[in-house]
Amino acid sequence: QVQLQESGPGLVKPSGTLSLTCDVSGGSINSNYWWSWVRQPPGKGLEWIGDIHHIGSTNYNPSLRSRVTISLDKSKNQFSLQLRSVTAADTAVYWCARGGMYDVSGYYYDGFDIWGQGTMVTVSS
Amino acid sequence: SSELTQDPAVSVALGQTVRITCQGDSLRNYRASWYQQKPGQAPILVIFGKNIRPSGIPDRFSGSSSGNTVSLTITGAQAEDEADYYCNSRDSGGDHVIFGGGTKLTVL
Repeated sequence: QVQLQESGPGLVKPSGTLSLTCDVSGGSINSNYWWSWVRQPPGKGLEWIGDIHHIGSTNYNPSLRSRVTISLDKSKNQFSLQLRSVTAADTAVYWCARGGMYDVSGYYYDGFDIWGQGTMVTVSS
Repeated sequence: SSELTQDPAVSVALGQTVRITCQGDSLRNYRASWYQQKPGQAPILVIFGKNIRPSGIPDRFSGSSSGNTVSLTITGAQAEDEADYYCNSRDSGGDHVIFGGGTKLTVL
C-alpha cells in the first residue's frame, strides 16, 4: 500500500522560497506514475501545481511555471517542490499525490488516487 | 479552454438522487475524475475513467459523460456524502491538469 507524507516548514517569509518534500513509502518512485503537487488556499478550491515522472519529465501549471521546480531523489524515494518568490497568495494546504491509475486491463487513466495528509504553509513575515 | 465549471452548491434530500455536473471544452477529448473532500481532509478519489469506482467507494456513486459535460451521480444520498466535490481533467492542449471550482453538496 503506497503512502505519501509531506514535510517542510509551515511558515515562509514573503519573497522567500517554499520547499516541501514528499516521502513515498510502500512502493517505488521509479514506477510509471506522475508524482504531483496540489494546493488549496483557505476556503478555496484545488489547484494543480505540477508533476514529475521518474524518467525526469516535468509539467507545471502555466500560472506558476516561472516560480516552480519539482524534482526527484530516487535514492531517498522522495520528490520535492520548490516555489520561489512567495507571497501571501501562496498560503495554502499543500498535498503531494500520485497521478495516474490503471484498470484491470492495464489501461492508463489520469487522476490522483493516493494523497498525502497535506501540510499547511503560511506565508507571513 | 482551460476551465472546468461546476455549480458552487447543490442540495439533496436524504435518500434521494443528486447529480453534480462539470462542464468544459476539454471534456470532449479527455476523461474526468471526481473527488470527495470533507473539511480538514485530503480529497478522496470516487470516480475515474469512464465510470470506475476505486476500491472502497460505495456503488451509489457513478459517473457519466456527454459532450462537454461530465456528471457525478449519487443514488440514495447519505448524510456522510455531505462534502465538497471536485472534477479534474486536462486542459484543451492536454499538457496540464485542471480542477473544477468545486461543488458543495448539502444533504438535507
